[in-house]
Amino acid sequence: AQSVTQPDIHITVSEGASLELRCNYSYGATPYLFWYVQSPGQGLQLLLKYFSGDTLVQGIKGFEAEFKRSQSSFNLRKPSVHWSDAAEYFCAVINNAGNMLTFGGGTRLMVKP
Amino acid sequence: KAGVTQTPRYLIKTRGQQVTLSCSPISGHRSVSWYQQTPGQGLQFLFEYFSETQRNKGNFPGRFSGRQFSNSRSEMNVSTLELGDSALYLCASSLAAVGEKLFFGSGTQLSVL
Repeated sequence: AQSVTQPDIHITVSEGASLELRCNYSYGATPYLFWYVQSPGQGLQLLLKYFSGDTLVQGIKGFEAEFKRSQSSFNLRKPSVHWSDAAEYFCAVINNAGNMLTFGGGTRLMVKP
Repeated sequence: KAGVTQTPRYLIKTRGQQVTLSCSPISGHRSVSWYQQTPGQGLQFLFEYFSETQRNKGNFPGRFSGRQFSNSRSEMNVSTLELGDSALYLCASSLAAVGEKLFFGSGTQLSVL
């Protein structure tokens, strides 16, 4: 069965500092991986996705993620965090028999001024 | 292009009642899936429909059901509500049959008293 682990429940960074959110997955085949962001009381917005090809993928809002098969990881990064980035971030893997996402538990990001 | 629309935005019900939630996908999207989000369990997959057929189903009791209409709009129904059904219910739509990115609505916040 597929699974996703986000080891950090909360992360606090200062505005302007760099950010890395960790994600580890378990999946039998080549995974399709996603990062979503959720603001309070809202739905999920797609930041980026990895299906195949270049292992470093660029997303919206200046985010990027790197797929590392050997480490079963898909970590999200941003070089300089803005206060508006404060939100909850979810890593997810999709099955290959449909569009069923398995989510990690999420990482809540707080940004200090 | 309009996004995924979920109605109603908020619902308050009492135990034992039933509830129906509605989701209108992005125009042209044929896949609709539903997720339950709670603070304790996180984001959990309920079911997915594609061209009016249920393709995937999560580990929820039979009180949770859904359907999809010929125009791709979807409804989910929860019968005999329990306190633990209080959650944010998110609908997502997707263009392709398999492994495509999902677009989420803002959700329906259900409170069971």
